[in-house]
Amino acid sequence: EAAVTQSPRNKVAVTGGKVTLSCNQTNNHNNMYWYRQDTGHGLRLIHYSYGAGSTEKGDIPDGYKASRPSQENFSLILELATPSQTSVYFCASGDAKGDEVFFGKGTRLTVV
Amino acid sequence: GDSVTQTEGLVTLTKGLPVMLNCTYQTTYSPFLFWYVQHLNEAPKLLLKSSTDNKRTEHQGFYATLHKSSSSFHLQKSSVQLSDSALYFCALRMSNYNVLYFGSGTKLTVEP
Repeated sequence: EAAVTQSPRNKVAVTGGKVTLSCNQTNNHNNMYWYRQDTGHGLRLIHYSYGAGSTEKGDIPDGYKASRPSQENFSLILELATPSQTSVYFCASGDAKGDEVFFGKGTRLTVV
Repeated sequence: GDSVTQTEGLVTLTKGLPVMLNCTYQTTYSPFLFWYVQHLNEAPKLLLKSSTDNKRTEHQGFYATLHKSSSSFHLQKSSVQLSDSALYFCALRMSNYNVLYFGSGTKLTVEP
């Protein structure tokens, strides 16, 4: 079974603070993704990566940075968190064919 | 631009009835379509993926047919069960692009 692990699972942050969401996959997949899930919007792509050292902007990258230091790890960074970034964040990994992505269990972020 | 549209936000049905969840897409590339299912407090998981044009694909009692002529990939089941209550996402991948774009999701609630 493909494994994607996110940490933390829950986070409360203060407005203006820095937040780092971490993701680790043991699938040896090249591709990794960060999505946020909000009611009425589904899953929206923030950043993605095709391999170590690469990051690409998705549909809603503003206010977020990403880092892919290795095949296994992909982080999402909020340098200056805002209440509008309160959401559930999902990390996912997928192989080069792109036929299926495997999601982590999500991180619930609340910015107060 | 490339997009996926799910017209129903919420569908409520009685157990044993048939269901169809709508999914249409827009892209200028050759499309691959997917249905993901997310049960409460869980991660989204792949339910089924499209095959060739006009060919039906099935999994766990659900089925869908990619119709390029109408840009659709509707999800159907002949008899829903209580355990089918979940959030269903339609997703699009273009042939030259290993990124999934999701629709806004349809929440299916099955009542006794």
